[in-house]
Amino acid sequence: GQQVMQIPQYQHVQEGEDFTTYCNSSTTLSNIQWYKQRPGGHPVFLIQLVKSGEVKKQKRLTFQFGEAKKNSSLHITATQTTDVGTYFCAGGGGTSYGKLTFGQGTILTVHP
Amino acid sequence: EAGVAQSPRYKIIEKRQSVAFWCNPISGHATLYWYQQILGQGPKLLIQFQNNGVVDDSQLPKDRFSAERLKGVDSTLKIQPAKLEDSAVYLCASSSTPGLATGELFFGEGSRLTVL
Repeated sequence: GQQVMQIPQYQHVQEGEDFTTYCNSSTTLSNIQWYKQRPGGHPVFLIQLVKSGEVKKQKRLTFQFGEAKKNSSLHITATQTTDVGTYFCAGGGGTSYGKLTFGQGTILTVHP
Repeated sequence: EAGVAQSPRYKIIEKRQSVAFWCNPISGHATLYWYQQILGQGPKLLIQFQNNGVVDDSQLPKDRFSAERLKGVDSTLKIQPAKLEDSAVYLCASSSTPGLATGELFFGEGSRLTVL
């Protein structure tokens, strides 16, 4: 079945440093979504990418979808303490309509 | 707009006992998902409903887990009998995007299960 891998598992940064997490799928995706989960909270939708090579920005966050639609990345510029949490990618597509397969997440810690 | 409601928020049971979780999705959302999130891992899909029909239950341990969505609105997830490895947060999510497309998932707060 479809597998989605994320690296790194953990990332510790000083406030103001940049952060990047990478997502790779074993199969070609129809779309990819990114979610943020604060400690003790539930996943909250950030963005969806659909097109090959697509790049989207949300303030300090930049999301990319690979040309082959098998990988994606999330980059945060100048991290803030409010960025703390776990970032998940979730790949859609394959034979299961509307099914999203989540990666294991990257836990981001920001030191002030 | 009210979000996805789940109950109970917390449940502690002993192994071999049974437990049920309830989910009320956002009004009008046709697609409902149950995910299992073990500590330190990403959510794992257990079952997906489209209205009151099952779209995907390939990862649902059917010997002990069951789920239903009567009338295409509320849903219940049951575990009987529970095992230690079932300790996890059970997340319900809903989406307004029907059919073949994958849309934004709105998650509830989750039900945290501890099996002793």
